[in-house]
Amino acid sequence: GQQLNQSPQSMFIQEGEDVSMNCTSSSIFNTWLWYKQDPGEGPVLLIALYKAGELTSNGRLTAQFGITRKDSFLNISASIPSDVGIYFCAGRINTNAGKSTFGDGTTLTVKP
Amino acid sequence: GAGVSQSPSNKVTEKGKDVELRCDPISGHTALYWYRQSLGQGLEFLIYFQGNSAPDKSGLPSDRFSAERTGGSVSTLTIQRTQQEDSAVYLCASSRDYHAYEQYFGPGTRLTVT
Repeated sequence: GQQLNQSPQSMFIQEGEDVSMNCTSSSIFNTWLWYKQDPGEGPVLLIALYKAGELTSNGRLTAQFGITRKDSFLNISASIPSDVGIYFCAGRINTNAGKSTFGDGTTLTVKP
Repeated sequence: GAGVSQSPSNKVTEKGKDVELRCDPISGHTALYWYRQSLGQGLEFLIYFQGNSAPDKSGLPSDRFSAERTGGSVSTLTIQRTQQEDSAVYLCASSRDYHAYEQYFGPGTRLTVT
């Protein structure tokens, strides 16, 4: 089945630093999604990408859909303590629109 | 309005016992999904329901796992003869319909099999 490789597995950064994480796949996806999960909660959608090459921002977050449709990255600028959590990428193929394949997550720790 | 709710929030059970996990989706959402999240891992798809269509059970790891959705709303995930490897957080999500990209997740049920 499809697998997503997400990196890095964890990051420890200083408040105010920028963060970058990415996902790669051996398969093509037609939708890329980025979620954030806080402790004890379910994931919450941050950004959805639908088109190869698309660059989308949501506040301090920016995500891009890779040209090959096999990768995506998420950047967080000027990190703050509440950015702490686990970030997941997910890919969807249109014919299976309902279910998503998730990466293993990037755990972000922000030191004040 | 209320989000997706799941119960119980935590469940500890002995190996070999059966457990039932419940999910109440957002009212009006026709699609419902179950995922499993093991420690340090991503979300593993288990099953989804869309309206009155036959569910996609392709992610269920064994025949000890089953799920029902009654009346197009509440869903129950049942694990029979639990094993220690079943220990995980079980997450439920719903979306407006099968094609809607945004899935709204519940807080999950943390299952521990001793």
